[in-house]
Amino acid sequence: AQKITQTQPGMFVQEKEAVTLDCTYDTSDQSYGLFWYKQPSSGEMIFLIYQGSYDEQNATEGRYSLNFQKARKSANLVISASQLGDSAMYFCAMREGRGYSTLTFGKGTMLLVSP
Amino acid sequence: DTGVSQDPRHKITKRGQNVTFRCDPISEHNRLYWYRQTLGQGPEFLTYFQNEAQLEKSRLLSDRFSAERPKGSFSTLEIQRTEQGDSAMYLCASRTEGGTNEKLFFGSGTQLSVL
Repeated sequence: AQKITQTQPGMFVQEKEAVTLDCTYDTSDQSYGLFWYKQPSSGEMIFLIYQGSYDEQNATEGRYSLNFQKARKSANLVISASQLGDSAMYFCAMREGRGYSTLTFGKGTMLLVSP
Repeated sequence: DTGVSQDPRHKITKRGQNVTFRCDPISEHNRLYWYRQTLGQGPEFLTYFQNEAQLEKSRLLSDRFSAERPKGSFSTLEIQRTEQGDSAMYLCASRTEGGTNEKLFFGSGTQLSVL
């Protein structure tokens, strides 16, 4: 079974609107971390947001928030007030256990923001 | 910080040749990771260093791959007898040890094309 599943290959959104990118995960560990990274066409992976499995509140970082539903094993990324510069690939990732923080990534979602 | 630096940005080589990539992590980061990303996929973990010690290697890392991190500073990834299947983006990442900040900083990657 895949550890990280991103079911949306591509998403379209208009500028200034909100968009939700889906991510579900599979782990039997009690301690884990969930991440979202943005990868523009330049190739660099840019950290957006982190949610620990024991965090009771959903993580927020500026226009980014993570909708963490532990029982459903989902960690959706919400981008509010989309901007043209948000157009990029978005990857959900998971760190399992308390090991070396190696991350397992999903296949990504391409987000296109239109004017 | 000056960010994670990778060199070269692009490498084109013929099948059977050896190639070496370099990664300079953020100076105070003692944890260093190598990932590989093929087209349409998320990054996949290859190997991990804590200071100069290589502590974890993925089964993706065949005998033709070797990584070093002398003196716990920069790291090199060498691929011997390259094959067309080695064509990918090779990403390096670093982070500090411990604490609650699990943010992983990525470089812009080295794009390898094996002809």
